[in-house]
Amino acid sequence: SQTIHQWPATLVQPVGSPLSLECTVEGTSNPNLYWYRQAAGRGLQLLFYSVGIGQISSEVPQNLSASRPQDRQFILSSKKLLLSDSGFYLCAWIRVVGEAFFGQGTRLTVV
Amino acid sequence: AQTVTQSQPEMSVQEAETVTLSCTYDTSESDYYLFWYKQPPSRQMILVIRQEAYKQQNATENRFSVNFQKAAKSFSLKISDSQLGDAAMYFCAYRSDGPGFYNFNKFYFGSGTKLNVKP
Repeated sequence: SQTIHQWPATLVQPVGSPLSLECTVEGTSNPNLYWYRQAAGRGLQLLFYSVGIGQISSEVPQNLSASRPQDRQFILSSKKLLLSDSGFYLCAWIRVVGEAFFGQGTRLTVV
Repeated sequence: AQTVTQSQPEMSVQEAETVTLSCTYDTSESDYYLFWYKQPPSRQMILVIRQEAYKQQNATENRFSVNFQKAAKSFSLKISDSQLGDAAMYFCAYRSDGPGFYNFNKFYFGSGTKLNVKP
């Protein structure tokens, strides 16, 4: 069966520090992968999606970037975090036909 | 772009009672999927139920059922015999089934409804 691993679960980082969140998928090949951000009490905002290695599309301009170095690995990064980057980040794999599967999420607090 | 609207930010239900969460969406497409996801305090997103637009029959999963009104673009979730474990944020989501990668795989989420279950 397919599973998504996302880490770390919780992260507290100072303003101006770098960020690296990792997501890996098991049980499938060439998955379509997504990064979402969820502000407190809000819905999900799509940040990036990727259809394959090295292929990244950005949904909204921001302080973050994404990379797909391997088929089943998706990384969310920042060179210098802002306070506004705080939130809950979710990695998702969306089946070609059907539903989305989500990782456990990362709670990022920028202080 | 498609939009998904959940007009009830928060709802409460007594344990063992029935509650209905509302969702409306806006689209010009004829083929699509609709989903309800549950997000408990752990914040793990859990699929509750899915509905294919081409199916006239409403989907059912144990105590969860939907009322899909395609013409009205309405997709409500009914939870029967509510349990304390049902307390969570519930998100309605839309996914296109049309041609082209971008539309085909993009999910649109509503803003969520927080469900409280009273013992």
